[in-house]
Amino acid sequence: QKEVEQNSGPLSVPEGAIASLNCTYSDRGSQSFFWYRQYSGKSPELIMFIYSNGDKEDGRFTAQLNKASQYVSLLIRDSQPSDSATYLCAVRSGGSNYKLTFGKGTLLTVNP
Amino acid sequence: EAGVTQFPSHSVIEKGQTVTLRCDPISGHDNLYWYRRVMGKEIKFLLHFVKESKQDESGMPNNRFLAERTGGTYSTLKVQPAELEDSGVYFCASSQPTWALRSGANVLTFGAGSRLTVL
Repeated sequence: QKEVEQNSGPLSVPEGAIASLNCTYSDRGSQSFFWYRQYSGKSPELIMFIYSNGDKEDGRFTAQLNKASQYVSLLIRDSQPSDSATYLCAVRSGGSNYKLTFGKGTLLTVNP
Repeated sequence: EAGVTQFPSHSVIEKGQTVTLRCDPISGHDNLYWYRRVMGKEIKFLLHFVKESKQDESGMPNNRFLAERTGGTYSTLKVQPAELEDSGVYFCASSQPTWALRSGANVLTFGAGSRLTVL
């Protein structure tokens, strides 16, 4: 059983649209949730993290967490071609265990 | 502030040879992690150093892999002897001292990775 699941995509949206990226996780004890963006051949770059139920907004990005449903999402408003990348969902179990469990990532393409 | 630096960016070796990957974390980051992405799979945890001590090495595949962090600064990951299935991208990441982690999420900063190809 996979621990962190993401739709591999590709997800294609037109420029200016809202891109919705989804992630589910299996460990109910998970405490922190991260979205990383990775351009091809580059390092994963942190976009946002969230650890409380509800929404967290940062500019054009909104992370949503529903621990009861074990679901976390990332919304990108006014998508730009520069947002085209692979988006990685990562989960931390908490306590003294600091390792992250990653999903495979979703490839997002924003078409001009 | 310099980011996490990894060397080499790409290494091509033959099966049975030895390769050593190096990671220089962000200055002041006590926590250093190694992750690996095999083609078609997700990024997977290998191990975690706190300063020079191995905090968690549960992700290390087998005893052909040896990680060190002498002096608590840079780290090396040696694969000896390399096998075909070791091919992939090896990422290093670092994060702030443990006392800072308790106040929030564990924010890792990743390096660009070292791509290993074993022929």
